[in-house]
Amino acid sequence: DQQVKQNSPSLSVQEGRISILNCDYTNSMFDYFLWYKKYPAEGPTFLISISSIKDKNEDGRFTVFLNKSAKHLSLHIVPSQPGDSAVYFCAAQHNAGGTSYGKLTFGQGTILTVHP
Amino acid sequence: GAGVSQSPRYKVAKRGQDVALRCDPISGHVSLFWYQQALGQGPEFLTYFQNEAQLDKSGLPSDRFFAERPEGSVSTLKIQRTQQEDSAVYLCASSLGAIIRSKNIQYFGAGTRLSVL
Repeated sequence: DQQVKQNSPSLSVQEGRISILNCDYTNSMFDYFLWYKKYPAEGPTFLISISSIKDKNEDGRFTVFLNKSAKHLSLHIVPSQPGDSAVYFCAAQHNAGGTSYGKLTFGQGTILTVHP
Repeated sequence: GAGVSQSPRYKVAKRGQDVALRCDPISGHVSLFWYQQALGQGPEFLTYFQNEAQLDKSGLPSDRFFAERPEGSVSTLKIQRTQQEDSAVYLCASSLGAIIRSKNIQYFGAGTRLSVL
């Protein structure tokens, strides 16, 4: 049962253009969402997050949009740079309290390639 | 240290062998998580520690998997009688354990790639 889905295994974008990575979730209990970036042979690195009480969060070139009714979030990177080429993971948390707090549920990842 | 450190980076085991994977979290981080990442997939939760207490082990796939964090710092994930399906990257993450979500980001190590032959 895949509760967080990234349906695009890969995305190719020209340098300077916008990259849009998408993520869907099924569990209504999720209330906090994160994007991680992963380079080969490294661990995932936190990029940006959003609480379910918001619909947008921006940090420099990175913006995350949340559509709760559609259970959909997206990450926009503008402008895209070759150094952004990596695997991007969407992750979700739910505040069930107690032992569930903080556990991340990840999507399968999207490989982003930004061409010079 | 500056980040989460995991060792060894690579481990090759013969089927049936026991292995131990080590995680050194960021100093002062209360929460520690283990995840398993199969090839081409996202990380999947295995277990969670708050200091030395293992509060959630619901993701451990079988009783061959065992984790400990006896002094609330370094953690070890042990896999007994390894099987081929255990081949994966094992990731450790730590966080402050803060109530405020934005202050409680998980920081990951580079992982241990386990190959069971």
